Amino acid sequence: EVQLQQSGPEVGRPGSSVKISCKASGYTFTDYVMNWVKQSPGQGLEWIGWIDPEYGSTDYAEKFKKKATLTADTSSNTAYIQLSSLTSEDTATYFCARTGTGSPGDWFAYWGQGTLVTVSS
Amino acid sequence: DIQMTQSPASLSASLGETVTIECRASEDIYNGLAWYQQKPGKSPQLLIYNANSLHTGVPSRFSGSGSGTQYSLKINSLQSEDVASYFCQQYYNYPNTFGAGTKLELK
Repeated sequence: EVQLQQSGPEVGRPGSSVKISCKASGYTFTDYVMNWVKQSPGQGLEWIGWIDPEYGSTDYAEKFKKKATLTADTSSNTAYIQLSSLTSEDTATYFCARTGTGSPGDWFAYWGQGTLVTVSS
Repeated sequence: DIQMTQSPASLSASLGETVTIECRASEDIYNGLAWYQQKPGKSPQLLIYNANSLHTGVPSRFSGSGSGTQYSLKINSLQSEDVASYFCQQYYNYPNTFGAGTKLELK
C-alpha cells in the first residue's frame, strides 16, 4: 500500500524558514516523481513543483522559484520542501503528492495527509 | 498558464440524486484532466484521471467525461459520504493547474 507520511505542523517567524518532510513507503521511491501542492486557508490548490528522487532534478512553478526548495533522500525514501523568507502569505497546508506513473506531467495518484505551516510572530 | 473554470462553486443535492460538476479549460487539454475529492481536514483523493478513467477503489457511481476544453464529473445516486469539495486539474500543459473547486452539500 502506497503511503506518504508528512511531518507535523510548523510555526515559523516572518523571515525564517521551515522544512517539511514526506516519507514514502509501499513503492520504489526512485521510480516516481514527487510533487508538492499548496492550499491556503479556505482556498484552492496550487502546484509548487516536483522532484525526481532518482536524479535530484526539479522543476518549480514560476511563483515558487524563490520560495521553495525541493530535495530528496533516497536512503530514507523521504522528500522535503523548504520554504524560505516566510510571510503571512505562506500560511497554508502543504501536501506532497506522488504521480500516477513515472512522468512529471501526470495526475496525482497518492497524497500525504498535509502539513499546516503557520507564519506568526 | 491554462485556466480551469469550474462550476458551480457550490451545490446542494439530495441523497440518491445525480450530480454533475463541470470544468472548462482555457484551451484544449486533450483529456489530460483529473478529478479529486477532498473532505474537510483531509487531503485530496484521486477519483478520475485521463478524463474518464476511474482510479483504483473509487466507487463506480463516479464517472468522468468530456473532451477538448469541456469536462464533467458525474456522481450517480448521491451518498452521504460524497459530501466534500471536488477539484479538477489539468496536467496536459505545464504548469498543471486546478479549478477553484465545487463544494457539495446535502439538501
